[in-house]
Amino acid sequence: GESVGLHLPTLSVQEGDNSIINCAYSNSASDYFIWYKQESGKGPQFIIDIRSNMDKRQGQRVTVLLNKTVKHLSLQIAATQPGDSAVYFCAESARGSTLGRLYFGRGTQLTVWP
Amino acid sequence: NAGVTQTPKFRVLKTGQSMTLLCAQDMNHEYMYWYRQDPGMGLRLIHYSVGEGTTAKGEVPDGYNVSRLKKQNFLLGLESAAPSQTSVYFCASSYRNRGQPQHFGDGTRLSIL
Repeated sequence: GESVGLHLPTLSVQEGDNSIINCAYSNSASDYFIWYKQESGKGPQFIIDIRSNMDKRQGQRVTVLLNKTVKHLSLQIAATQPGDSAVYFCAESARGSTLGRLYFGRGTQLTVWP
Repeated sequence: NAGVTQTPKFRVLKTGQSMTLLCAQDMNHEYMYWYRQDPGMGLRLIHYSVGEGTTAKGEVPDGYNVSRLKKQNFLLGLESAAPSQTSVYFCASSYRNRGQPQHFGDGTRLSIL
């Protein structure tokens, strides 16, 4: 079955630095990936998504990179701010999976220090 | 800008009691989902619905029932609560099943004593 995981459970960065959060997946049929941000006491909030026909996608201060060869996904946050402190999840779905189900990683806790 | 609204936000139950969690979305989404989130386990799918009047089992359906009588509402029921059902429950919805993000509510924190 599909599995989505994260290399590091926690990440601490200084305000203004760039952050990189990583995610690995194992299903070569995975073709759609999403990054979510979850603040304490809130639900997951959509940040950015990418399809497998792309290697890179940029949003406001965020970039997602997809390396299908090694089944690796990363989220880069530029000029990290204290408001970026949260848990970040990656999620993926695969061609042919029921309902296009999303499978979630366990999350990385990002802490931004002033 | 309501999006996905869950009620209640918090609840404490005794073992064996029943309750219903309500999810409402105002985005005209066809697909709706119930997840539970436990420490170290990530989000696990309980039940889902592909449209009004339809429901289906997810990854961890035992002990839960659902109903989707109206397109905008998705109810999650616990008939006889057990301590193992202590968790944070999230509802989500999406426009279609493939290639679209799911949008989440802020959760219901449920404790079973």
